[in-house]
Amino acid sequence: GAVVSQHPSWVICKSGTSVKIECRSLDFQATTMFWYRQFPKQSLMLMATSNEGSKATYEQGVEKDKFLINHASLTLSTLTVTSAHPEDSSFYICSARAQSDTEAFFGQGTRLTVV
Amino acid sequence: GQNIDQPTEMTATEGAIVQINCTYQTSGFNGLFWYQQHAGEAPTFLSYNVLDGLEEKGRFSSFLSRSKGYSYLLLKELQMKDSASYLCAALDSNYQLIWGAGTKLIIKP
Repeated sequence: GAVVSQHPSWVICKSGTSVKIECRSLDFQATTMFWYRQFPKQSLMLMATSNEGSKATYEQGVEKDKFLINHASLTLSTLTVTSAHPEDSSFYICSARAQSDTEAFFGQGTRLTVV
Repeated sequence: GQNIDQPTEMTATEGAIVQINCTYQTSGFNGLFWYQQHAGEAPTFLSYNVLDGLEEKGRFSSFLSRSKGYSYLLLKELQMKDSASYLCAALDSNYQLIWGAGTKLIIKP
């Protein structure tokens, strides 16, 4: 299957700082990328959907000014958690798909711990 | 509203067969996916069904009935490494993925 690379795999940051997470599709062009958050023992929660070259569509309850998403190219999307707080500690996962009717492939996930 | 239902947890014995069911209600339908997720890892793709019927892929098979809004994932010859959560997700008319909460499968020796 296609490869989606997410970086970093884990990060620890101080409260109040910002963290950037990258999601790259290595061998296909991703017209759409999804960002999810998953708390322990809970299901995936979609945060936002981004299409290359346009603004991300955020799910209800997700602060767009706190979770900045950029999808500047067909192979790269970034999620920046601004002014992180301990409650933002979670597993963040991106997925990417080439076309609307194909499967989405997931990155490895990023475990964020805010101290 | 849109909704995906699947059991929260199932237990099976190593070497046996288990069927994980999923029912969906979506605004339009463009296919159904099954993903496997081990604890602490991202989901990995297992199968995609858009037409009615059974698709077999090694030890795993997936079935879809569009008229019933129903799918199942069948796992044969269970191995301990199959212990994981299995996520069902449907593509709606806008090609948005609607996710189930996942079924935690516990395999016992």
